[in-house]
Amino acid sequence: SYVLTQPPSVSVAPGKTAKITCGGNIIGSENIHWYQQKPGQAPVLVIYFDSDRPSGIPERFSGSNSGNTATLTITRVEAGDEADYYCQVWDTSSDSYVFGTGTKVTVL
Amino acid sequence: QVQLEESGPGLVKPSETLSLTCTVSGGSISSYYWSWIRQPAGKGLEWIGRIYPRERTNYNPSLKSRVTMSIDTSKNHFSLKLSSVTAADTAVYYCAGQVVSYYFDYWGQGTLVTVSS
Repeated sequence: SYVLTQPPSVSVAPGKTAKITCGGNIIGSENIHWYQQKPGQAPVLVIYFDSDRPSGIPERFSGSNSGNTATLTITRVEAGDEADYYCQVWDTSSDSYVFGTGTKVTVL
Repeated sequence: QVQLEESGPGLVKPSETLSLTCTVSGGSISSYYWSWIRQPAGKGLEWIGRIYPRERTNYNPSLKSRVTMSIDTSKNHFSLKLSSVTAADTAVYYCAGQVVSYYFDYWGQGTLVTVSS
């Protein structure tokens, strides 16, 4: 089945920009969605269809997708952005949803 | 606003069947897609399966032989059964709702299921 690879961790200072990557074979041809999960909480959708934001998600969150890498970018990082982030696709070859391995974002 | 709530036993014995229910409020259960997703402690998210209009289903190929999902529109809930469980099935189980089939808009708070004798 389709494999989505994320870096285990990303560290960023407050006010700086965090970039979280999601790698997969020709991922640029897929629709990528991103979730934020804080400790002890359910995931929350932060980006859908590569770069769209649900209502209530700050403009600081943005996404892009091209080639073999999708990227979630968080600008002007705040302490409250510290969480695990997961990318997700629908894999048509197996008719199943696939999540990335997850990235822990630490705000220094 | 759609809200989801999981319910079911928190402890299941090895080789038995795990059964969970997700009650939906604030939306029509007949209109959306509904999934189960689990997360072992300290690990990532794993999609288990989905059920959608006309009770069609898709299951994770790695779990397909053990999973059954159903929906009860009269009670506005959908259910998961996972048979022949082992300790590897110990996880927080989430139900999730989808307005469109591509991503998960709504999530329950999750329920911990432990497989142990």
